[in-house]
Amino acid sequence: QKEVEQDPGPLSVPEGAIVSLNCTYSNSAFQYFMWYRQYSRKGPELLMYTYSSGNKEDGRFTAQVDKSSKYISLFIRDSQPSDSATYLCAMNVGGSYIPTFGRGTSLIVHP
Amino acid sequence: KAGVTQTPRYLIKTRGQQVTLSCSPISGHRSVSWYQQTPGQGLQFLFEYFSETQRNKGNFPGRFSGRQFSNSRSEMNVSTLELGDSALYLCASSLNLARGETQYFGPGTRLLVL
Repeated sequence: QKEVEQDPGPLSVPEGAIVSLNCTYSNSAFQYFMWYRQYSRKGPELLMYTYSSGNKEDGRFTAQVDKSSKYISLFIRDSQPSDSATYLCAMNVGGSYIPTFGRGTSLIVHP
Repeated sequence: KAGVTQTPRYLIKTRGQQVTLSCSPISGHRSVSWYQQTPGQGLQFLFEYFSETQRNKGNFPGRFSGRQFSNSRSEMNVSTLELGDSALYLCASSLNLARGETQYFGPGTRLLVL
């Protein structure tokens, strides 16, 4: 079993929908949580970064961490076709700065 | 500022050969990390260099090696290529990853081993 599990999808939604992307993890030592977006033929780019539990909002994006359930989520409101990409979760243990990535979820937002 | 650049973008090799991939980080960035991305395993950390020193290494065989030059440019070498080495190899640079600075990824080099 991988340390970080992420459903590969694809997840297909209509434009304007609220999207929920999720990861579960097994290592309770993870303290730093990130979401990356990767467009086709591009490298990943950091979207959101949170420390420990709680919510963080940035525009249409909200990152949520539930350490008690070992579960993190990324919500995208008013999804756009330009949001179509692969979303990767990543996390670090405290004291280490090397992230462990999920395999990514492919999101398709159709007009 | 120019982003992270990687060369070549695409490469086809045969089993047993060796390959060298190159990464030029963002100007001023001293930390360079390398990752392997495959559909089955996802993104996996290979190694990280800072000021020409390897600071961290992932769980990959010794066939995978790297180095960093004084201008922070980095190269990654894979010797005795195997079919399973076919992957997207991504380089990421940061001002200093150990201080929590953001990593910026390049577009990757897609390696196909036949």
